[in-house]
Amino acid sequence: DTEVTQTPKHLVMGMTNKKSLKCEQHMGHRAMYWYKQKAKKPPELMFVYSYEKLSINESVPSRFSPECPNSSLLNLHLHALQPEDSALYLCASSPTIGQETYEQYFGPGTRLTVT
Amino acid sequence: KNQVEQSPQSLIILEGKNCTLQCNYTVSPFSNLRWYKQDTGRGPVSLTIMTFSENTKSNGRYTATLDADTKQSSLHITASQLSDSASYICVVRGTSGTYKYIFGTGTRLKVLA
Repeated sequence: DTEVTQTPKHLVMGMTNKKSLKCEQHMGHRAMYWYKQKAKKPPELMFVYSYEKLSINESVPSRFSPECPNSSLLNLHLHALQPEDSALYLCASSPTIGQETYEQYFGPGTRLTVT
Repeated sequence: KNQVEQSPQSLIILEGKNCTLQCNYTVSPFSNLRWYKQDTGRGPVSLTIMTFSENTKSNGRYTATLDADTKQSSLHITASQLSDSASYICVVRGTSGTYKYIFGTGTRLKVLA
């Protein structure tokens, strides 16, 4: 099974709402990633978790809060978002972050619209 | 500055025709280069991954080449199909010390019947 799943597929939320995005993989990967992708732009790295610990935070605003409750799950908690945060949020995983040639598998993404 | 540039930005071809997409990078030191296919609104799917010692790699109708000396890669699509319509993204990773994958801006390919 080389699948990364993400839920929900689509999410519409107001600027005062609190919501969460979920990502799951069962490949035994110990590195998981959150990316943000605006239309017609490449994905931008947000966070990297390695062995359930936050390794990289690309200066992401605190209204985005990641969480890795176990090695298979990665959440992204959203609070007080702005309309410009509307984008496709992609989750990815790889065996580790130390081996450069390891494949990185992407999920289908969550399309987020902030109204 | 580590950069990955792709050309053309967009391309329209007829079904059955071949095409070649280009990727130039300045990432150094270089570890590997990947080509992904991304359908609209979906996550990227890996097509090939090449290290500096590999010159060419195929995946069905997709053939990627790499020239590590000139820091150039190409993705050749043979006998295009309507389902090839997607964005093709070149991603380069440096050697240990950085966990970043440097993404190109992609080439949007449209295959017409």
